[in-house]
Parts: sequence; structure tokens; C-alpha cells
Amino acid sequence: GQQLNQSPQSMFIQEGEDVSMNCTSSSIFNTWLWYKQDPGEGPVLLIALYKAGELTSNGRLTAQFGITRKDSFLNISASIPSDVGIYFCAGQLSSNYQLIWGAGTKLIIKP
Amino acid sequence: DVKVTQSSRYLVKRTGEKVFLECVQDMDHENMFWYRQDPGLGLRLIYFSYDVKMKEKGDIPEGYSVSREKKERFSLILESASTNQTSMYLCASSSPEEGGKLFFGSGTQLSVL
Repeated sequence: GQQLNQSPQSMFIQEGEDVSMNCTSSSIFNTWLWYKQDPGEGPVLLIALYKAGELTSNGRLTAQFGITRKDSFLNISASIPSDVGIYFCAGQLSSNYQLIWGAGTKLIIKP
Repeated sequence: DVKVTQSSRYLVKRTGEKVFLECVQDMDHENMFWYRQDPGLGLRLIYFSYDVKMKEKGDIPEGYSVSREKKERFSLILESASTNQTSMYLCASSSPEEGGKLFFGSGTQLSVL
């Protein structure tokens, strides 16, 4: 099945650093979503984006729906230890259509 | 608090065994999904269901079947487990109005020996 191109695959950062990750696709999506998976748990929705150009924040997290509708970005400011985990992007063609997933970005904070 | 519950966190089975993974949600969601997660491959959709007794194949249905006899319960069945089905299995549910907002269970780590 189709998969989104998510990068980077992993990130090693210092506590307090800002983090950026992105997803690109050859297809146009109507919805972009960002999920986070803590170790030993299922993914949890962080942010949902519904409109091209939309910029949405959730605390220290900010996500954008790309103008071309083929990409999305997630930024985390001033990272803290509980930010570790795997971040997944997902795109959706229409409201009740199945999601297309990225392979995930693993965030690791250097001690 | 909304909840998707998977019956086992860890499961060890032998090659050739029939395996049942159970998932129950308490949100009255019509949509339910089964994914498997492997390192570097992300989430791959096995089967999904948009209603009771309804099922659709996802991207990797081979070797699996599902059952949805009640709205709240979606079961994944491995008819004859093989070692390449060792993986983390995740169940999720959503409403049709917000189909992209999936609620996931904590996952079942299945090892087939």
C-alpha cells in the first residue's frame, strides 16, 4: 500500500532543543494528522489539520498543512524528556477514508 | 475516559497455532481497524470494518481474518500462525464523522516461535 515519506527516521537531540519533522506525498490530501506513540502504548492523536496553509498549535507543538496539500510539518519547541517516542504523520483523502501513514520519526533525547 | 482495550499485552504462540486477538471499544464507534507495526515500516493496515458484520481488506490481509459480530468488538484471527507474523498488533476505532481521529489500544506484542 501507499506510504508517506516521513523524515527524519530518527533524531537524537539535547533537552531544550527545537525539533522539526515533515511528511511528503505524491497525492493530495484533505486532512493531515500527527500522532505520537509513547513506548509500550498505542499512538495518540496530537494535531489534526483540515485546510491547506493551516497552522495549528497544541502547547509546544505546532503543525502545518502544506499549501500544495502534499506535505505537512511538525515542530516541537524546547524539547523535554517526555517528548521521546515515535511521531507518525497520516494523510486522509476524504472524511471517512482510511489513513495513509508515514513510517515514523523516533525522537531520542541525549542524556 | 474513552477506551480501546486489547485482551493481551504479550502473547507467545507456536507455529501453526490458531491465534485470536480481541479488541473492545467503549465509544460506540462504527469504524474499527487492525494494524501491525514493525520497526522501520510504520503502521500497516490488515483489515478494517465500518459496521457490524462488515469487513474490508487492508494492505496486508494475507494470513489473517477478522470477525465483527458486535459493534464494540473486533477480533483478529491468525488461522495458522507463522514466524513472520511476529509483530506488534494495534487495534483502533473511530467515528465516521471524524474518521481520521483514531483511538488506539495499547497493542499486543505477538511472538510466534
